Amino acid sequence: AQSVTQPDIHITVSEGASLELRCNYSYGATPYLFWYVQSPGQGLQLLLKYFSGDTLVQGIKGFEAEFKRSQSSFNLRKPSVHWSDAAEYFCAVGNQAGTALIFGKGTTLSVSS
Amino acid sequence: EPEVTQTPSHQVTQMGQEVILRCVPISNHLYFYWYRQILGQKVEFLVSFYNNEISEKSEIFDDQFSVERPDGSNFTLKIRSTKLEDSAMYFCARDSSDTLNTEAFFGQGTRLTVV
Repeated sequence: AQSVTQPDIHITVSEGASLELRCNYSYGATPYLFWYVQSPGQGLQLLLKYFSGDTLVQGIKGFEAEFKRSQSSFNLRKPSVHWSDAAEYFCAVGNQAGTALIFGKGTTLSVSS
Repeated sequence: EPEVTQTPSHQVTQMGQEVILRCVPISNHLYFYWYRQILGQKVEFLVSFYNNEISEKSEIFDDQFSVERPDGSNFTLKIRSTKLEDSAMYFCARDSSDTLNTEAFFGQGTRLTVV
């Protein structure tokens, strides 16, 4: 079955500390992987994506993610978290255009001062 | 990338009523999508639309749902007879302008409340 698992429902990080959000996937075809962020009352904003090539991808707002095929993982990282990063983060997997994106249940990030 | 605009931002409707959710994507995109997010749950795919036809749909997208692009610009999702469990945030999305991958750019969403 195709699925995305985000093991952490809620994470709290101190401002300035590093962050890693975990994502594991199960997908029958070549996976295209995405991270989206959703602030309260807002839509989904694409942070970064992996289609092929370099397994470490850079995104907006200082985020990066690393694709590890052997572990079926696509973890999101940021070296220094800012208070404005507090939001819900969704990992998603898809394939060719027109097909469904499958989302994880999301991880809520809180940032403490 | 230009954003997708959805209207209304919030709609309250009585059970059994028909609702139409609207999305204004940029006209030169190929694929359009509807997703929904029930409060506290994950984002779920409903349907994709290409060249004025449904490309793929999920089990959620039953006969109560329909999509169309009536004037080549607006993209609509219609729910014929709403149920309480249709209460959710509905997101419209479009593809990227320069790739043919499933990369999707989402609108701000329409919060549908069925009472």
